[in-house]
Amino acid sequence: EDKVVQSPLSLVVHEGDTVTLNCSYEVTNFRSLLWYKQEKKAPTFLFMLTSSGIEKKSGRLSSILDKKELFSILNITATQTGDSAVYLCAVDNNQGGKLIFGQGTELSVKP
Amino acid sequence: GAVVSQHPSRVICKSGTSVKIECRSLDFQATTMFWYRQFPKQSLMLMATSNEGSKATYEQGVEKDKFLINHASLTLSTLTVTSAHPEDSSFYICSARSEGVGYEQYFGPGTRLTVT
Repeated sequence: EDKVVQSPLSLVVHEGDTVTLNCSYEVTNFRSLLWYKQEKKAPTFLFMLTSSGIEKKSGRLSSILDKKELFSILNITATQTGDSAVYLCAVDNNQGGKLIFGQGTELSVKP
Repeated sequence: GAVVSQHPSRVICKSGTSVKIECRSLDFQATTMFWYRQFPKQSLMLMATSNEGSKATYEQGVEKDKFLINHASLTLSTLTVTSAHPEDSSFYICSARSEGVGYEQYFGPGTRLTVT
């Protein structure tokens, strides 16, 4: 059965800290891995990763994929209180666009 | 970026009634739309996949006669929760995907359904 596992499930840090969120997966037919940020409402798209070793970066956020070890990390540097959210990792298993979501990591950034 | 809207954003209905939720892709044509349900403190669970002009494909355990999905055009899909019960109270989120926008799924803002 295809699955996506995120860790940690929750994390509390202080402003300015750097955090690393983990996502591991087991799918039969990998197409891409996606990261989303969810704050009370629906998820907003952060990154889509398809190739190993190529870092994607957007401001203080970056992500990389390791297709050999079947995991991805999402890094957030110099965290701010506005980064507090649930971060979701999802894998497209090449079945017509269906996404398999992990449980999410709830990040809380304290002032 | 691609924008997906949902209507209504919040609905309260009585047990036994039906509720329709609309999902629209505003600036692109969505060949595929997905419906998810999210319970508090849980992740998104896919309910069904709908392709324009064809019947929806439901995930295991989702009653197709209870959750009616119609994808009548490339910009509109609807989810109707029939004979709603309190256990159907949840956050319903749609997403839309188009090959023209790079295969990413773009999510609507969600609909909070409360059945009393």
